[in-house]
Amino acid sequence: AQSVTQPDIHITVSEGASLELRCNYSYGATPYLFWYVQSPGQGLQLLLKYFSGDTLVQGIKGFEAEFKRSLSSFNLRKASVHWSDAAEYFCAVGAGGSYIPTFGRGTSLIVHP
Amino acid sequence: NAGVTQTPKFQVLKTGQSMTLQCAQDMNHNSMYWYRQDPGMGLRLIYYSASEGTTDKGEVPNGYNVSRLNKREFSLRLESAAPSQTSVYFCASRDRDSNQPQHFGDGTRLSIL
Repeated sequence: AQSVTQPDIHITVSEGASLELRCNYSYGATPYLFWYVQSPGQGLQLLLKYFSGDTLVQGIKGFEAEFKRSLSSFNLRKASVHWSDAAEYFCAVGAGGSYIPTFGRGTSLIVHP
Repeated sequence: NAGVTQTPKFQVLKTGQSMTLQCAQDMNHNSMYWYRQDPGMGLRLIYYSASEGTTDKGEVPNGYNVSRLNKREFSLRLESAAPSQTSVYFCASRDRDSNQPQHFGDGTRLSIL
């Protein structure tokens, strides 16, 4: 069975600092990987996705993520965080066929001015 | 373009009352999903419908029923609400025939007293 671990429940950064949110997955084959962002009171919005090909994927809002098969990781990065990036971030792994994605428990990003 | 629309946005019920949460998508997607989100638990799948006319249980189906009314609509019913079902409920849809992520509604915030 597939699983996703987001080791950090909360991350606090200063505005303008760089950011890395960790995601580790467990799946037997090459997975489909996603990062979503959830602002307070809103639904989930897709930031980026990885299916195959280039292991460094670019997303919206200046985010990027790198797929590392050897580490079973798909960490999310941003070079310079803005106050509006404060939100909950979810990593998800999906598989082919019936495609029932599994979500991590989320990482809450707090941005200090 | 509305995407995924959930109604109502907020609801308060008494224990034992019944309620149907509505979800509709206008993207001609085949697959639809119902999740619940609780603090620190991420998103947990309640039921899903891979295509019109089919429904299957997810991780936490007890106490819920679903109906895939047509390709656009997927409803979630609580027959006898319990305080443990206090949660935020999200509906999502996806085009099953392509490697695309899910699209989420803005959620229904349900409190059961």
